[in-house]
Amino acid sequence: DGGITQSPKYLFRKEGQNVTLSCEQNLNHDAMYWYRQDPGQGLRLIYYSQIVNDFQKGDIAEGYSVSREKKESFPLTVTSAQKNPTAFYLCASSGTSKFTEAFFGQGTRLTVV
Amino acid sequence: KQEVTQIPAALSVPEGENLVLNCSFTDSAIYNLQWFRQDPGKGLTSLLLIQSSQREQTSGRLNASLDKSSGRSTLYIAASQPGDSATYLCAVSGGYQKVTFGTGTKLQVIP
Repeated sequence: DGGITQSPKYLFRKEGQNVTLSCEQNLNHDAMYWYRQDPGQGLRLIYYSQIVNDFQKGDIAEGYSVSREKKESFPLTVTSAQKNPTAFYLCASSGTSKFTEAFFGQGTRLTVV
Repeated sequence: KQEVTQIPAALSVPEGENLVLNCSFTDSAIYNLQWFRQDPGKGLTSLLLIQSSQREQTSGRLNASLDKSSGRSTLYIAASQPGDSATYLCAVSGGYQKVTFGTGTKLQVIP
């Protein structure tokens, strides 16, 4: 089945640690995105990538980093510089014709302990 | 800056009722609008995508309309079922980095 797979589903981070969230898609989509979701707020864009080896900052990129070495994969690293990382993280992908229909993964809930 | 508003924030209806969810946006220069469903603790499931040149899209019991000039979209759910209980989000797109999501309407359908 085609889709987007995020792992892990739950992640716990200690203060000062970097953690990496995985996102893999087999939809042959060129564009991939990372969003953060907090209670009572709309989704906010962290980073997006339109092609391999290229990515752009979104609205809230500080404290995060990404890579796009393969078309299928777009991992997100939450660094120790991110002051409030506890949130629900969603990965999405779409075609590159403007913003065509987007498909989302099941999310990763990150909690700082 | 694009702003997307969904009213009401929460809605509770008896099973079988037809209902309408509302989405309004401030900038009419959009490429498309997408409606999503989100179950608790889960990702977003795409329901309907309406291109800016279209007026409506239908999928089963769902019908979404778009009035770009007035900055409004509605999602109509016919004959609601308990399985429709979820949060419904709309998102408007003005480009890759210009997708703006609403905060959603939490729907509860009571058996």
